[in-house]
Amino acid sequence: GDSVTQMEGPVTLSEEAFLTINCTYTATGYPSLFWYVQYPGEGLQLLLKATKADDKGSNKGFEATYRKETTSFHLEKGSVQVSDSAVYFCALNHAGNMLTFGGGTRLMVKP
Amino acid sequence: DAGVIQSPRHEVTEMGQEVTLRCKPISGHNSLFWYRQTMMRGLELLIYFNNNVPIDDSGMPEDRFSAKMPNASFSTLKIQPSEPRDSAVYFCASTGPPGRITEAFFGQGTRLTVV
Repeated sequence: GDSVTQMEGPVTLSEEAFLTINCTYTATGYPSLFWYVQYPGEGLQLLLKATKADDKGSNKGFEATYRKETTSFHLEKGSVQVSDSAVYFCALNHAGNMLTFGGGTRLMVKP
Repeated sequence: DAGVIQSPRHEVTEMGQEVTLRCKPISGHNSLFWYRQTMMRGLELLIYFNNNVPIDDSGMPEDRFSAKMPNASFSTLKIQPSEPRDSAVYFCASTGPPGRITEAFFGQGTRLTVV
């Protein structure tokens, strides 16, 4: 079956540092890939998505590129802010609208 | 659209009591998911409906948990009897419309505390 593997956290960075959160997946066919963010006390919300190979999703300075050859969708941001502190989930959506989530990675950004 | 609406936002109940969580998905969405989130186990899928029909309930922890979707605009998750280990945040999410792969939209969650 489908699966998503994320790097374990927490990831602790200083403000303005470069961020990478790794995500790899296992799936048949061509799933759509997503990154969700969960701020404290809130539900998950979509951060960005990519629907086919080599697509790049971007939002709020975050980027991720759908790499089919490495089955990866790593999340990056050039300069993190304290307000980016949250839990980030990688996910894929396959046939039938069934979402599969990774375990989540907590990011803590210190001033 | 107001998004996915869950109620109540917070619930505190005594062990042994029945608890009912409610969800209204986004209009036009045909898939609905119930998740449970805890520090220990992270985000767990409990059950998944497609067109109001339960498709996968393998994540429902035990018979004390039940979920229904009587129509396209309403779903419930019931725990009877509740236990302290059921304390968690329960999320509802919906996707759609039919035939398109879209992102899931999550509600704000219900924080359940069983004492």
